[in-house]
Amino acid sequence: GAVVSQHPSWVICKSGTSVKIECRSLDFQATTMFWYRQFPKQSLMLMATSNEGSKATYEQGVEKDKFLINHASLTLSTLTVTSAHPEDSSFYICSARDRDRAGQPQHFGDGTRLSIL
Amino acid sequence: AQRVTQPEKLLSVFKGAPVELKCNYSYSGSPELFWYVQYSRQRLQLLLRHISRESIKGFTADLNKGETSFHLKKPFAQEEDSAMYYCALRGGSQGNLIFGKGTKLSVKP
Repeated sequence: GAVVSQHPSWVICKSGTSVKIECRSLDFQATTMFWYRQFPKQSLMLMATSNEGSKATYEQGVEKDKFLINHASLTLSTLTVTSAHPEDSSFYICSARDRDRAGQPQHFGDGTRLSIL
Repeated sequence: AQRVTQPEKLLSVFKGAPVELKCNYSYSGSPELFWYVQYSRQRLQLLLRHISRESIKGFTADLNKGETSFHLKKPFAQEEDSAMYYCALRGGSQGNLIFGKGTKLSVKP
């Protein structure tokens, strides 16, 4: 079945560091990928929609300069948390839609747990 | 406004008991609804979607447009059903998912 790989699965870093999270579709091509954020014991909140070859669409309240998204190929989207601070600590999850199966549900990655000290 | 509501944070039942996880939605168009499950330390997995009308792991969910509900049901809960369950609505211009807050199902022996 379709697999989405997310890397790293867990990262701990100092305040002020920039962190890059990768989301790859392993056996399908994805023109659209989604980035979600999940706080402890809360639901997934959509942060942005990543479109291959164009700018990402950010949800209201999400700082685009803080959360840089690059979707340079049909199998890779990256989320960079710039100058991360403790309040950015969260669980980040990506999902991808198969370009050739538009009506099918999204496939989710394992998520990345980001801890900023 | 597009919204998914799961009123119960936690649902605890005994093995063999029936289970119903509630989900209500608010959507102006024709909704496409899903149930996702997240077992401990695992990724989010699709459990079922209303379009396919299939039963997965004994779970079923019927879309009730009159009540704007998509409750998840299982007649006899098993311990391995213990997990977080999220109801989701596909909305937005790009087809992103809108999630409910989730219900933690705990099935006791």
